[in-house]
Amino acid sequence: EADIYQTPRYLVIGTGKKITLECSQTMGHDKMYWYQQDPGMELHLIHYSYGVNSTEKGDLSSESTVSRIRTEHFPLTLESARPSHTSQYLCASSEPLSRGYTFGSGTRLTVV
Amino acid sequence: GENVEQHPSTLSVQEGDSAVIKCTYSDSASNYFPWYKQELGKRPQLIIDIRSNVGEKKDQRIAVTLNKTAKHFSLHITETQPEDSAVYFCAASKTGANNLFFGTGTRLTIIP
Repeated sequence: EADIYQTPRYLVIGTGKKITLECSQTMGHDKMYWYQQDPGMELHLIHYSYGVNSTEKGDLSSESTVSRIRTEHFPLTLESARPSHTSQYLCASSEPLSRGYTFGSGTRLTVV
Repeated sequence: GENVEQHPSTLSVQEGDSAVIKCTYSDSASNYFPWYKQELGKRPQLIIDIRSNVGEKKDQRIAVTLNKTAKHFSLHITETQPEDSAVYFCAASKTGANNLFFGTGTRLTIIP
């Protein structure tokens, strides 16, 4: 089934560890996004990509990095996790934008 | 850039009553306005959208209205049911934009 998949669903790691959150979509969408979602609710755009080899920073400053080597894959990496990175991370894709986003189920990250 | 404001941030409604969530936007060129519903622990999902060439759109118990002159749009849920309890996000974008601009979310609680 065409969809967008995120792994892991939940992750608890220690401070200073390097982690990669995976996001893959099987819809052939060019545009992909990473959002950080506060426990309260608000969605903050941290990275996006128009297509292969394109990445841009979003509105919220983030210490993470992303890559887009393949259309279907948009991983997010934290080189050195800190407790302030504890949050939910949502991946999304769209094509075209006028049909809205499809969101993944999210990764809930806890840094201890 | 676009700025989307959403009110109220929380809303409690007696089951069977109606709920209204309002959003305003700043960019008069915005022409696409989707609404997302996020149930507890789940991903945001598109429930209805409207484009600037129409003033109202309905889908069963939900409807969205758009006032381009005032630059605001609203989500209306009639005959509310417990399963309507969720966080709702409005968003806006325009032709050629790279991403959606989200409101800050409304936590809707339906009181049985």
